[in-house]
Amino acid sequence: NAGVTQTPKFQVLKTGQSMTLQCAQDMNHNSMYWYRQDPGMGLRLIYYSASEGTTDKGEVPNGYNVSRLNKREFSLRLESAAPSQTSVYFCASRSTGHGGNYEQYFGPGTRLTVT
Amino acid sequence: GQQVMQIPQYQHVQEGEDFTTYCNSSTTLSNIQWYKQRPGGHPVFLIQLVKSGEVKKQKRLTFQFGEAKKNSSLHITATQTTDVGTYFCAGNTGGFKTIFGAGTRLFVKA
Repeated sequence: NAGVTQTPKFQVLKTGQSMTLQCAQDMNHNSMYWYRQDPGMGLRLIYYSASEGTTDKGEVPNGYNVSRLNKREFSLRLESAAPSQTSVYFCASRSTGHGGNYEQYFGPGTRLTVT
Repeated sequence: GQQVMQIPQYQHVQEGEDFTTYCNSSTTLSNIQWYKQRPGGHPVFLIQLVKSGEVKKQKRLTFQFGEAKKNSSLHITATQTTDVGTYFCAGNTGGFKTIFGAGTRLFVKA
């Protein structure tokens, strides 16, 4: 099992360019998440998908859109990149079956720089 | 909205010294998790606490959940260089959102 995979690993964009960050998990998890990590700020939730076909805003959704393509894949799109979106982006997934286990599995991250 | 505060932001210790990081939520939590992130890596789940006053141990790591389920701590006894990294608490109120603390970065000098 690969767990949670993310592409690309690194990306440099110019202000105003668009791009999509891809995430896939092979653990048959229902819920998937996108976080951004900035120095001293911890992990902030951008969007999440509780199950296939649903998406909801997190703490910092402005400037982003998401698509839950199927149970495995959850993509994050920046329509018009801004320097404030320079960050490390992590995708995570979680099983939401019975048992109340909230453990999240994280991908390796995408390091995005917007100039 | 819900906030999770974590202190200290940084901690430098000599190898063999103890280390503690504290987490405080603005709201009552249904559970709290702890994660470790090595430099350049991604967060990795350590443990989940659910019950009021719960204490769990993993070798040299001791995790506590407060009686009011609004605070938690992680204590490492006799730190080793392999403990280096950032430790995050993450609180959940029972839904799908999990709010992370800002993390405590641990530096261990050999």
